[in-house]
Amino acid sequence: GAVVSQHPSRVICKSGTSVKIECRSLDFQATTMFWYRQFPKQSLMLMATSNEGSKATYEQGVEKDKFLINHASLTLSTLTVTSAHPEDSSFYICSARDLVTGETQYFGPGTRLLVL
Amino acid sequence: AQSVTQPDIHITVSEGASLELRCNYSYGATPYLFWYVQSPGQGLQLLLKYFSGDTLVQGIKGFEAEFKRSQSSFNLRKPSVHWSDAAEYFCAVGAQNNDMRFGAGTRLTVKP
Repeated sequence: GAVVSQHPSRVICKSGTSVKIECRSLDFQATTMFWYRQFPKQSLMLMATSNEGSKATYEQGVEKDKFLINHASLTLSTLTVTSAHPEDSSFYICSARDLVTGETQYFGPGTRLLVL
Repeated sequence: AQSVTQPDIHITVSEGASLELRCNYSYGATPYLFWYVQSPGQGLQLLLKYFSGDTLVQGIKGFEAEFKRSQSSFNLRKPSVHWSDAAEYFCAVGAQNNDMRFGAGTRLTVKP
């Protein structure tokens, strides 16, 4: 089946620093990737939709200058949390939609971010 | 706008018992419906999906779900639960080339 990887799996950083999270589709091409955020014991909340070669579309309430998304190729999207603060600590999950089939999103294993 | 409701936050069943997790959706057109499972600290694994055709969908790990348009429901079932099924289950609704919306999730506990 389709595999999506995320790197790193967990990261601890100091407040004020920036953190980059990578999302890769390993065995398929994805024109669209999605970034979600999940707080403990809660559901996934869509942050933004990332389209290859164009600007990301952010959900209402998500700061585009704080959560920078780059989708430079059909297999890679990155999320950079800039000037991270403790309230940004969360579980970030990406998903990728197969270019060929288009209907199903395949999820990465998630990245646990802890900002001290 | 599409939305998903999972009425049960937490369900406990005994190992070997049957299971049904409820999911109701709201969507203006024919929806694409999904069930995902998430183990603690892990990403989401697709259990099954419904796009069209037979309303009873078979998935992995012995799960099935039935799409009932009249009830706007897509309930997940398993005839006999195993201890390894303990996890968080998410129902999601979407459409082709659009983003998905997730329910709040149902946490399943399996008693020995």
